[in-house]
Amino acid sequence: GIQVEQSPPDLILQEGANSTLRCNFSDSVNNLQWFHQNPWGQLINLFYIPSGTKQNGRLSATTVATERYSLLYISSSQTTDSGVYFCAVGSNTNAGKSTFGDGTTLTVKP
Amino acid sequence: SQTIHQWPATLVQPVGSPLSLECTVEGTSNPNLYWYRQAAGRGLQLLFYSVGIGQISSEVPQNLSASRPQDRQFILSSKKLLLSDSGFYLCAWRGQLNTEAFFGQGTRLTVV
Repeated sequence: GIQVEQSPPDLILQEGANSTLRCNFSDSVNNLQWFHQNPWGQLINLFYIPSGTKQNGRLSATTVATERYSLLYISSSQTTDSGVYFCAVGSNTNAGKSTFGDGTTLTVKP
Repeated sequence: SQTIHQWPATLVQPVGSPLSLECTVEGTSNPNLYWYRQAAGRGLQLLFYSVGIGQISSEVPQNLSASRPQDRQFILSSKKLLLSDSGFYLCAWRGQLNTEAFFGQGTRLTVV
């Protein structure tokens, strides 16, 4: 099956810093999402981005499907950005099943 | 708007006891439904998915089973829990156009 690799596994930032999280995948996909898992475990949808670039406030994401990677940018980080960020990829022809990476754990210090 | 409900939020069960976790979706019809499990410090692993009533596909061999008795209801069950069944279980749905997936709040299961 498809392999998903996220980097870095852990990231510690000072409040106000910028960061880039990366998601590499091993096969063609037409379904890619970024999630933020909060301290209570809930998965918050950030972006549905199988290709192209999207922005939502301080967050933006870019997926280059032909090169099999996606990037999540966090600017002017805040302590509330702390948590685990997951990338999930899949094929829409396969019942919409998603394969998750192991996540990037972000800690933003005040 | 669509919403997904999952309960209970936490559960502590003895080894050998049965399990039933329920997930329901509102505001959509004929969704694709999924059960995932998350081990501590790891990503989510797909356990089961369903594309329609009574249609269940299993992704990994295990002590669990799933059922979909109604269009928007997905149930995760076990006849006898094992210690290794402990974890965080999440239900998700996606529309038939297979775009964005949405997750429930999860059930934290501890088998003792």
